[in-house]
Amino acid sequence: EVQLVESGGGLVQPGGSLRLSCAASGFRFSSYEMNWVRQTPGKGLEWVSSISSSGTKIYYTDSVKGRFTISRDNAKESMYLQMNSLRAEDTALYYCATYTASSPAFDYWGQGTLVTVSP
Amino acid sequence: QSALTQPRSVSGSPGQSVTISCIGTSSDVGGYDYVSWYQQHPGKAPKLMIYDVSKRPSGVPGRFSGSKSGNTASLTISGLQTEDEADYYCCSYAGRYTPYVFGTGTKVTVL
Repeated sequence: EVQLVESGGGLVQPGGSLRLSCAASGFRFSSYEMNWVRQTPGKGLEWVSSISSSGTKIYYTDSVKGRFTISRDNAKESMYLQMNSLRAEDTALYYCATYTASSPAFDYWGQGTLVTVSP
Repeated sequence: QSALTQPRSVSGSPGQSVTISCIGTSSDVGGYDYVSWYQQHPGKAPKLMIYDVSKRPSGVPGRFSGSKSGNTASLTISGLQTEDEADYYCCSYAGRYTPYVFGTGTKVTVL
């Protein structure tokens, strides 16, 4: 059974940092692109960042470029999101998600970890 | 990259059909046959319902169907059931550097 389990969320002040983790199991983690998708409370979904299976191709949405860093450790079957210079608008539920078929559609999601940026 | 435009809400009675539109541009919906749809119940993670515009993953009921014309994709739920009441999001591949753009979301209410 495929499982994605996020952790590391919490309350942080504006300008602060957090590191999110996503632990994967039940599939060949090293073969698949991984993504972070966030959802603002009561609002919609927003793709945040993706990392290729080897970690060599990395992309970010414009609003987090220069502040967030995505990474992965295939030996530990884990993905990370280092979030620096956090802003109130980064407050959201952060999901890790992947697609295991040939099509870029997210067939597996974690349960999410909540990040709250507030004084 | 702007979010894809969806109606805020649609509603229908059990057994009826509802269609949700998802309007993008030639850089996303119109440029690729990689539109997907997600169902999200309150407090739950999104669930993939449609991929590659019109394909259904194993286990998704046949009453869910997808289509696309130009820059607009659509999700149709035929024979609406009470358990279909949820939020629905479209998503399109949008190229290498900003690969995914989601829709604004639509709340489906079963009357």
